[in-house]
This record gives sequence, structure tokens and C-alpha cells, in this order.
Amino acid sequence: SQQGEEDPQALSIQEGENATMNCSYKTSINNLQWYRQNSGRGLVHLILIRSNEREKHSGRLRVTLDTSKKSSSLLITASRAADTASYFCATINTNAGKSTFGDGTTLTVKP
Amino acid sequence: DVKVTQSSRYLVKRTGEKVFLECVQDMDHENMFWYRQDPGLGLRLIYFSYDVKMKEKGDIPEGYSVSREKKERFSLILESASTNQTSMYLCASRPGGQGGHEQFFGPGTRLTVL
Repeated sequence: SQQGEEDPQALSIQEGENATMNCSYKTSINNLQWYRQNSGRGLVHLILIRSNEREKHSGRLRVTLDTSKKSSSLLITASRAADTASYFCATINTNAGKSTFGDGTTLTVKP
Repeated sequence: DVKVTQSSRYLVKRTGEKVFLECVQDMDHENMFWYRQDPGLGLRLIYFSYDVKMKEKGDIPEGYSVSREKKERFSLILESASTNQTSMYLCASRPGGQGGHEQFFGPGTRLTVL
């Protein structure tokens, strides 16, 4: 299976609820990044967590990284309809400069 | 503001045509990337470049070539377009180094090959 796999593939919640998305990867990484993509658009960087960090916050976003389990999670608190988008994790391989993206989680936040 | 622009948002070409997709970034980034995005397959790296005139194959380079004659411009070329190259193409750039920086994406080009 692919490096940087997100789980679940699709998530539908009500406005105000929290949304949690998970990402698993296979190889050693320098860091892990989360991106957001609105329908039919390019990706926008949300947050980067380095391999020596365990948790990072940015506004309503909270990212965790567990290198022993090769997994990361993205939590969006108090979701809004405007958070509706696809979310991707990207891993940066230790030995290469390129990123590997997963298939993404499609989040729908209903007003 | 970092800006990555792509020459077209939508493009329709015929099988066998030579297709050029252009990408320009204005932040003096060393690294540039071309991805294609397909439903259920996520983003897949086609080619990347870490310097002028340098290029590296990504995960799916077959049927594509690239050109980086100037630092700010990275072109993706489909030598003979085929229907299985119908996809969304995304260009990105990133500063130099081992990858400790975010990638900045263009808006994408949706290519249809008939």
C-alpha cells in the first residue's frame, strides 16, 4: 500500500463537531506535513511537524506524530462549513528531497 | 506572497498531440515538482527538479518529459498525449534543502485528452 495513507477516506460531520483524520506511513521521515485542497484547486499547506516533535498546534488544528507507530493525526476542532475540503498528509523521506502524498480524506462539514 | 502559476486551468487536446504545461514561481525556489492527481490514487510525482537544467524522475515518469531552463520555470511535456493522461496536473515549488519546508502549489491544470 501507499506511503502516507489517510484514514478515513471520507468523513461527514455537523458544524461545531471535531474532525479527526489519520495518516500512516512506511519509511523514515524528516517531517510530515498536512495540506488542504478545496475542490478543483491546488493544495495549501496547513502545518508541518518534525520527526522529533510529538504534537503541534495552529489555531483550531492539532497535529500529533507517533514515529514508533509511523502515524500522524490531524484534529480540527469546532469545525465550520468552510472547512469542507480534502486533507492530505505528505511525508518527506529522510534520504530524498521529495514528498509522498496519500489519497486524502474528504471532509464534509454540514451547516 | 509566494505565487505559483500554471499556464492553463483547463486544456483539451487530441490523442497524439504534443502538450506543454508551464509552471512559473516567483519566490526563487530551487525545487520544483510536477504531480498528477487522479481519484482514488492521490497525488503522484511525475518529475522534479532541484536546480536549473537538473531533473529527477518521480514515481510515474513514463510518457512525460520536463524542462527547466530557468530557475522560475518548470515545464511538463507530453510528447504524444494519450487518453490515460487525462488528469489534474499540479505544479509545486519549495525552497532548497532536505525537505524541511512546505510546498507551494499552483491552481492546477485539468487536462482532457480525447
